[in-house]
Amino acid sequence: GAGVSQSPSNKVTEKGKDVELRCDPISGHTALYWYRQSLGQGLEFLIYFQGNSAPDKSGLPSDRFSAERTGGSVSTLTIQRTQQEDSAVYLCASSLQSGTGQETQYFGPGTRLLVL
Amino acid sequence: RKEVEQDPGPFNVPEGATVAFNCTYSNSASQSFFWYRQDCRKEPKLLMSVYSSGNEDGRFTAQLNRASQYISLLIRDSKLSDSATYLCAVNINKLVFGAGTILRVKS
Repeated sequence: GAGVSQSPSNKVTEKGKDVELRCDPISGHTALYWYRQSLGQGLEFLIYFQGNSAPDKSGLPSDRFSAERTGGSVSTLTIQRTQQEDSAVYLCASSLQSGTGQETQYFGPGTRLLVL
Repeated sequence: RKEVEQDPGPFNVPEGATVAFNCTYSNSASQSFFWYRQDCRKEPKLLMSVYSSGNEDGRFTAQLNRASQYISLLIRDSKLSDSATYLCAVNINKLVFGAGTILRVKS
């Protein structure tokens, strides 16, 4: 069956530009997560959605980062006025039910963002 | 202190060797634990959940030590294809990942 998909797979942008990253979770999964992974680092939690609401936004690094989810499905992560330190792989994951972390999370292939 | 810590390695082992990784966590209220495998430039994939009683899946054995607050992963009879980064993840209201341990299995 279809897994988590993300687009674009790669994005190169200039410092100061806005970027929008998309995640399409596994059909029927109500919980959706965004993580960031810098080179050689572990996964840094950004935000999670339960349905269309985001109970935990604690990981968003700054107010330049925002995310939304509509229709309980697709989510977009927007980074405004990108900075070079935003360069990383942005991973999306989904799980069947709640976002407590107890359910298995299935990851998408990620979007590799490079800010020049 | 980081919430979840792992030895980054790399662990360089010959084929057929047994290798073990530990992962320590700081929050004693953590409820569930996982090992993920991540290949180079790929997304993490769940390897196995870690249960209180310990669990085994083929050549892989995971154990939890609540008293000392660590989980372990044991790989027996290492294969070249086991080469990857192994991430532990601990549920502390949300899933918190370690930075990963690099394993290189050589012929």
